[in-house]
Amino acid sequence: GQNIDQPTEMTATEGAIVQINCTYQTSGFNGLFWYQQHAGEAPTFLSYNVLDGLEEKGRFSSFLSRSKGYSYLLLKELQMKDSASYLCAVRSRQTGANNLFFGTGTRLTVIP
Amino acid sequence: GAGVSQSPRYKVAKRGQDVALRCDPISGHVSLFWYQQALGQGPEFLTYFQNEAQLDKSGLPSDRFFAERPEGSVSTLKIQRTQQEDSAVYLCASSLTSGAVDTQYFGPGTRLTVL
Repeated sequence: GQNIDQPTEMTATEGAIVQINCTYQTSGFNGLFWYQQHAGEAPTFLSYNVLDGLEEKGRFSSFLSRSKGYSYLLLKELQMKDSASYLCAVRSRQTGANNLFFGTGTRLTVIP
Repeated sequence: GAGVSQSPRYKVAKRGQDVALRCDPISGHVSLFWYQQALGQGPEFLTYFQNEAQLDKSGLPSDRFFAERPEGSVSTLKIQRTQQEDSAVYLCASSLTSGAVDTQYFGPGTRLTVL
């Protein structure tokens, strides 16, 4: 079967750096996505990794190691508006051609 | 341009009632997905359309759930004889192509509460 593990909750200070980890088990891996979801709102796309390494996009970076089944999302210069849930999702031949299998999400709280 | 829209945003139904949830994808997007998100959980896949063809319905929890996209644009998710366990947020997402690397863009969801 498939499984995604990510911490349920994290707290970090405004201006700091936080790393949200995600481990996954699946067969036929075909990409890992990170989405941000504010309470009551739609998930919004943050990043996509299919090859090993780091993808940087402004204050957000995402890393993937396929051999370890591991990814992390790095948020720099935290702002209060970054308080949200961060969803890790994988696509694989096991999930079907295109649909995503999501983790339960990590609720990040940014404090002053 | 406009994103994915869904209506209604909130729906309260009595147990046993039928409901219909609408999704308007981004114009020109080929692929459309429905997900169910329970409180405090990540979205769970329900069904997938490529244009008007429903290519995957493996996530539909029972035969009370039915989805259609007759003209390859707007989609409707119908739930018959609703039960309390159907209470959740129903998310619709669309992507431009059917390619495996294509990003899915989500709508705001319909929050269904079954009493």
